[in-house]
Amino acid sequence: QSVLTQPPSASGTPGQRVTISCSGSNSNIGSNPLYWYQQLPGAAPKLLIYRNNQRPSGVPDRFFGSKSGTSASLAINGLRSEDEADYYCAAWDDRLSGVVFGGGTKLTVL
Amino acid sequence: QVQLVQSGAAVKKPGASVKVSCKASGYTFTGYYIHWVRQAPGQGLEWMGWINPNSGTTNHAQKFQGRVTMTWDTSISTAYMDLSRLRYDDTAVYYCARGLTVSATLFPECHYWGQGTLVSVSS
Repeated sequence: QSVLTQPPSASGTPGQRVTISCSGSNSNIGSNPLYWYQQLPGAAPKLLIYRNNQRPSGVPDRFFGSKSGTSASLAINGLRSEDEADYYCAAWDDRLSGVVFGGGTKLTVL
Repeated sequence: QVQLVQSGAAVKKPGASVKVSCKASGYTFTGYYIHWVRQAPGQGLEWMGWINPNSGTTNHAQKFQGRVTMTWDTSISTAYMDLSRLRYDDTAVYYCARGLTVSATLFPECHYWGQGTLVSVSS
């Protein structure tokens, strides 16, 4: 049981817009920045979005992060086959004094 | 360029210990937190803890209390994660990741990751 809640799966066709949600509480998302990681099969996680909505250099602007209260979302516009991966949200939790991850969402491009 | 290179795969028996290394290059080792994260087969990411190579402080998730030790050697820019009393469910890929600067916060902003180390616990 993960502290942050994500849907286990999501899907879309090429060109579509897909959103992945991440729900938490006041001690994590509600008071600290939210991060998104992308993990391609067999690879290490890659930072996709930091501090709620910032993209590291090299991440396409098709990826968009947002946060409101104790929830956050990752939107992927113009879905591409190479976006098929697992996506994780993460945040610092003040109550646990540690990092918490969502359970991950497996994105399938149909 | 920043790189984190981890030690190779290991196979251990239940009850044994494993020590995973993470050698950093391309930046000032003492300037950034190192986080340890693991991933069991087919499962999600699980945060284990962090080290501050500058101040000498560490912390870890309550789940690993009494079993995990995080150390480092600044002379060779290497961090270590030692997990003892291994159980079958400790079978996982263990990652090190560079966090924010030690003058900043412990937020999980990890732009650089090691390649991962598979630890298999088997009798």
